[in-house]
Amino acid sequence: GQQVMQIPQYQHVQEGEDFTTYCNSSTTLSNIQWYKQRPGGHPVFLIQLVKSGEVKKQKRLTFQFGEAKKNSSLHITATQTTDVGTYFCAGRGSSGYSTLTFGKGTMLLVSP
Amino acid sequence: KAGVTQTPRYLIKTRGQQVTLSCSPISGHRSVSWYQQTPGQGLQFLFEYFSETQRNKGNFPGRFSGRQFSNSRSEMNVSTLELGDSALYLCASSLAGIAGVNNEQFFGPGTRLTVL
Repeated sequence: GQQVMQIPQYQHVQEGEDFTTYCNSSTTLSNIQWYKQRPGGHPVFLIQLVKSGEVKKQKRLTFQFGEAKKNSSLHITATQTTDVGTYFCAGRGSSGYSTLTFGKGTMLLVSP
Repeated sequence: KAGVTQTPRYLIKTRGQQVTLSCSPISGHRSVSWYQQTPGQGLQFLFEYFSETQRNKGNFPGRFSGRQFSNSRSEMNVSTLELGDSALYLCASSLAGIAGVNNEQFFGPGTRLTVL
């Protein structure tokens, strides 16, 4: 079945440093979504990428979808303590009713 | 709009018992998915329902079952509980769940199940 791998599992940065998490799928995806889960909270939708090579920005966050639609990345510029949480990618396969498969997430800690 | 609600929020059970968890999706959402979240394992997909039909099922034993009602509310049931079933069970709703179309998931706060 479809597998989604995410690295790194954990990253600890100093406030102001950049952060990147990477997501790789074993199969071609129709779209990829990114979610953020704060400690003690539930996942919250950030963005969806659909097109090959797509790049989207949300303030300090930049999301990319690979040309082959099998990988994606999330880059945060100049991290802040409010960025703390676990970031999940989730990919859905190409068939109409395929499952949304989540990566195991990257936990980000930001020290002031 | 009210968000996704899940009841109960916390539950303590003993091995061998069964449990039923409930999820009310956002009004107008017809797709409901269930996930199990444990430390280090991320979100493991359990089921997806759309208009009362189970559309997808994850790789979980038959002790895990679910259903969706005509008002889109959903329940999941776990029978003969095992210690390893202790987890946060998350429900998520979306408009459609079809690849590429309005399928962002809105998660509820989850039900924290502890099996002793």
